[in-house]
Amino acid sequence: AQSVSQHNHHVILSEAASLELGCNYSYGGTVNLFWYVQYPGQHLQLLLKYFSGDPLVKGIKGFEAEFIKSKFSFNLRKPSVQWSDTAEYFCAVSHGSGNTGKLIFGQGTTLQVKP
Amino acid sequence: EAGVAQSPRYKIIEKRQSVAFWCNPISGHATLYWYQQILGQGPKLLIQFQNNGVVDDSQLPKDRFSAERLKGVDSTLKIQPAKLEDSAVYLCASLPGGASSFQETQYFGPGTRLLVL
Repeated sequence: AQSVSQHNHHVILSEAASLELGCNYSYGGTVNLFWYVQYPGQHLQLLLKYFSGDPLVKGIKGFEAEFIKSKFSFNLRKPSVQWSDTAEYFCAVSHGSGNTGKLIFGQGTTLQVKP
Repeated sequence: EAGVAQSPRYKIIEKRQSVAFWCNPISGHATLYWYQQILGQGPKLLIQFQNNGVVDDSQLPKDRFSAERLKGVDSTLKIQPAKLEDSAVYLCASLPGGASSFQETQYFGPGTRLLVL
């Protein structure tokens, strides 16, 4: 069965530190890849997505992610985090073909940024 | 544009009781999803509708869960009878259209937090 694995469950950083959150998926076919974020008390919202083309995608608020097909990975990065980035981050995958749009989520990573 | 609306926001019930959740997707969105998010886990799809038809309900525990979207707009998810393990946040999400829109963003509602005692 398909699965998505996020390596870090809880990350604590100081402001201005660099961030990298790992995400690996298990599916051999074409995939669409997403990172969603949930700020405290708010809805899940899209940070960025990859469907095809340049494997380095840029999202909102200075986030970026790189799709490495050979490693089945889609890691999220930000060069300098802010206190306002404190949130829960979810990696998600959907099939690229015969797609129903169904998202398979990882278990999430809680990021705490200390001022 | 208005977002995905869900109600109630919170619900506390005792086991074996029944409960219903309501979702109103973004206007014009044909595809609607219900996800279950248990504490410490990512959301898991329960059921997907395309207009008023079910596309995928393979992970819906049909002995106790049911869902409908009669007019292809808003939707209800029901649990009867509830179990302790049903305690979770129930998220509704929507997409504008059919297969051609699946590369678009799913918009999520605020969720309904259910506690079963």
